[in-house]
Amino acid sequence: EVQLLESGGGLVQPGGSLRLSCAASGFTFSSYAMSWVRQAPGKGLEWVSAISGSGGSTYYADSVKGRFTISRDNSKNTLYLQMNSLRAEDTAVYYCAREPLGYYYDSSGYGYYYYMDVWGKGTTVTVSS
Amino acid sequence: QTVVTQEPSLTVSPGGTVTLTCASSTGAVTSGYYPNWFQQKPGQAPRALIYSTSNKHSWTPARFSGSLLGGKAALTLSGVQPEDEAEYYCLLYYGGARVFGTGTKVTVL
Repeated sequence: EVQLLESGGGLVQPGGSLRLSCAASGFTFSSYAMSWVRQAPGKGLEWVSAISGSGGSTYYADSVKGRFTISRDNSKNTLYLQMNSLRAEDTAVYYCAREPLGYYYDSSGYGYYYYMDVWGKGTTVTVSS
Repeated sequence: QTVVTQEPSLTVSPGGTVTLTCASSTGAVTSGYYPNWFQQKPGQAPRALIYSTSNKHSWTPARFSGSLLGGKAALTLSGVQPEDEAEYYCLLYYGGARVFGTGTKVTVL
């Protein structure tokens, strides 16, 4: 069974740091890109960051660029999110999501795209003094 | 900053049909944005429904379908069931960046 299990959330003071983990099981972890997505209390979903299967490409939302770092350890089947300089507005449930590759063929030739399929249950981060 | 906009709320009768849309502040949504759709019920993680405009996951009920409509991505629920009451989010890909829509609350009444 494909599973994602987030951990590492908690209460942290403004300006503090926290590292989230997402343990993957039931699939070949290195073959998939992964994303972090967060949801502030009573608000919508916000994409935070993504990383390719090899870890060689990373992407960030403007709201966290320069403060958060996404990484992965394919030998441990684990995704990470290092969060520094935390602010009250970072308070949210943080989900990890798997991103398979899809392929297509059109007049330009072959191409690929990512999409999200499996999500974890989330871990809660609260930034407050 | 790119904004992806959805209807805030829609109401549908059981057995009815409702269409949700997803618009981009950058212009028309095309297949190249690979629209995804997710369902989220209170206290639960989101569940993927549709990817790359119209492709269903193995667990997606047949009554859910995705398309492009008038420059927007669209999710249509046909033969709505009470359990379809939920928040629905679209997701668009802008190169390496991903942007979620604002969400649509669907009420089955």
